[in-house]
Amino acid sequence: EVRLVESGGGLVQPGGSLRLSCAASGFTFSDYDLDWVRQAPGKGLEWVGRGWNKFNSYIIEYAASVKGRFTISRNDSESSVYLQMNSLKTEDTAVYYCARDHWGSLEYWGQGTLVTVSS
Amino acid sequence: DVVMAQSPLSLPVTLGQPASISCRSSQSLVYSDGNTYLNWFQQRPGQSPRRLIYKVSKRDSGVPDRFSGSGSGTDFTLKISRVEAEDVGVYYCMQGIQRPYTFGQGTKLEIK
Repeated sequence: EVRLVESGGGLVQPGGSLRLSCAASGFTFSDYDLDWVRQAPGKGLEWVGRGWNKFNSYIIEYAASVKGRFTISRNDSESSVYLQMNSLKTEDTAVYYCARDHWGSLEYWGQGTLVTVSS
Repeated sequence: DVVMAQSPLSLPVTLGQPASISCRSSQSLVYSDGNTYLNWFQQRPGQSPRRLIYKVSKRDSGVPDRFSGSGSGTDFTLKISRVEAEDVGVYYCMQGIQRPYTFGQGTKLEIK
């Protein structure tokens, strides 16, 4: 069974940093691309970024809204993907999901972790 | 970026009746490999999104056959043949032809 479990969310002040983790199981992690998607309270879904797999040289892509502030990384030996978030803004408040990406589709999602940016 | 527009944004439906959600993209979602990368997701209250449909009409395992997807190019539809109580939630279309992936605004389905 494919499983994605996010962790690391919490309350942080504007300008602060937070690192989210997504632990995967039930599939060969290194073969897949992993994405981060967020959802502000009561709002829709917004793609944050993607970490490609080893076959695609671990390329990383970001949404314009987070580029330069967020960093996606992965550790295939630990079957985990990470989202390092710096210079956080109040508008970054959201539930952050990781999702397995396969051919232009997000086929499995985690349960999400809530990040609240507030003073 | 590809803009995805859904309608309606609110969909009250009587149990057992059909429902239909439209999704339009600002450019064609047909990729050079011939596939069309249009997905549908369901998000029940308090839950994570769940993929229902990919490549326009391919239903995921475990998705009831009352859900169907259709369309081509820039114009797509999700249909529920007979709405059940468990179908309450928000439905999103998403394009997977280019990054950034973009989603429709969401359609909130409720029981009338």
